[in-house]
Amino acid sequence: SQTIHQWPATLVQPVGSPLSLECTVEGTSNPNLYWYRQAAGRGLQLLFYSVGIGQISSEVPQNLSASRPQDRQFILSSKKLLLSDSGFYLCAWSVRVGLDNEQFFGPGTRLTVL
Amino acid sequence: QKEVEQNSGPLSVPEGAIASLNCTYSDRGSQSFFWYRQYSGKSPELIMFIYSNGDKEDGRFTAQLNKASQYVSLLIRDSQPSDSATYLCAVNRGYSTLTFGKGTMLLVSP
Repeated sequence: SQTIHQWPATLVQPVGSPLSLECTVEGTSNPNLYWYRQAAGRGLQLLFYSVGIGQISSEVPQNLSASRPQDRQFILSSKKLLLSDSGFYLCAWSVRVGLDNEQFFGPGTRLTVL
Repeated sequence: QKEVEQNSGPLSVPEGAIASLNCTYSDRGSQSFFWYRQYSGKSPELIMFIYSNGDKEDGRFTAQLNKASQYVSLLIRDSQPSDSATYLCAVNRGYSTLTFGKGTMLLVSP
């Protein structure tokens, strides 16, 4: 069965510090991978998605970046965090496209920027 | 701006009742629709998806889709206190991405 891991689970960082969040998927090959952010009162916002190694699509221009160095690894980064980067960061995967593009979420990382 | 709208709630129902959660979407080209459940502090869990007009049932859950009215709903029969959560509606808007609504909070009282 497929499993998705995210770490760390919680993170408190000062403004201006760098960020690296990691997501890995087990039990599947060539998944589509996604990074979402859920901020209070704003719903789930798609940040990046990837359909293959080295292929990244950005949905929202901001100070975050993503990379996919391996088939089942997806990394979210920032060089300098802003207060507005606080939120619940969720990684998701899917293996199908089209009508039945079910996405499955990891446990998430709760980031607080102070 | 392609949007997915949900009433934020809370929707309060007594235990054993039917809970009805609604979602409207603006993009007429939307093809498939997903319902997720999210407990407080946890990540969303997929309940079911639908892409044909009409009803789709899975256990106590029924999804209903009306593309002409751009409306999708989720019915939960025999609601239990453990169903208390936020329910997210999501719409497939293309190749491999989903657009989510902000969710409706459901409270089921014993």
